[in-house]
Amino acid sequence: DQQVKQNSPSLSVQEGRISILNCDYTNSMFDYFLWYKKYPAEGPTFLISISSIKDKNEDGRFTVFLNKSAKHLSLHIVPSQPGDSAVYFCAASSGGSNYKLTFGKGTLLTVNP
Amino acid sequence: DTEVTQTPKHLVMGMTNKKSLKCEQHMGHRAMYWYKQKAKKPPELMFVYSYEKLSINESVPSRFSPECPNSSLLNLHLHALQPEDSALYLCASSRGTSGISYEQYFGPGTRLTVT
Repeated sequence: DQQVKQNSPSLSVQEGRISILNCDYTNSMFDYFLWYKKYPAEGPTFLISISSIKDKNEDGRFTVFLNKSAKHLSLHIVPSQPGDSAVYFCAASSGGSNYKLTFGKGTLLTVNP
Repeated sequence: DTEVTQTPKHLVMGMTNKKSLKCEQHMGHRAMYWYKQKAKKPPELMFVYSYEKLSINESVPSRFSPECPNSSLLNLHLHALQPEDSALYLCASSRGTSGISYEQYFGPGTRLTVT
């Protein structure tokens, strides 16, 4: 049972344009969501997070939007840069057992110069 | 500083060997984690230490033995591994495990190959 789903295995965008990565979840107990970026043979790098009490969180070029009623979140990267090319993982946790992050399968983002 | 360090970066071991993976963080985090990641898959949680005590073992085989000597260090002792245990082993840390959620910061990983 996949509780966090990233339905697009890959996404390709042009440098300078917006990248939108999507994530859906099924567990209504999730109340904290995170995005990680991962380069090959490296550990995931924390990017940005959002609590379920918010619907938007912004950090520089990265913005995460949360739609609780749709159980959907998205990561917007504006403007996209070639160095953003990586696998992006969406993760979720529930407050009572937040040690456990449930990850999606990841989306490979390629930003073309 | 959000750095988690792991050694070694690469490790090749035979099925009869005993080896250890090491992880260190100096962020004052009180929770530390071991994950296993196979190619093209998300990280899978193995163990959680909270305040230097093992709080979660995700039904990991006994050939993997974690140890937390102090709040900054986490080891994973390996013995009699199988070729299917070959993977990227990731260490992570976070401020805590109770109350509001805390972001987990990952190390670069140890690429383990079992021959």
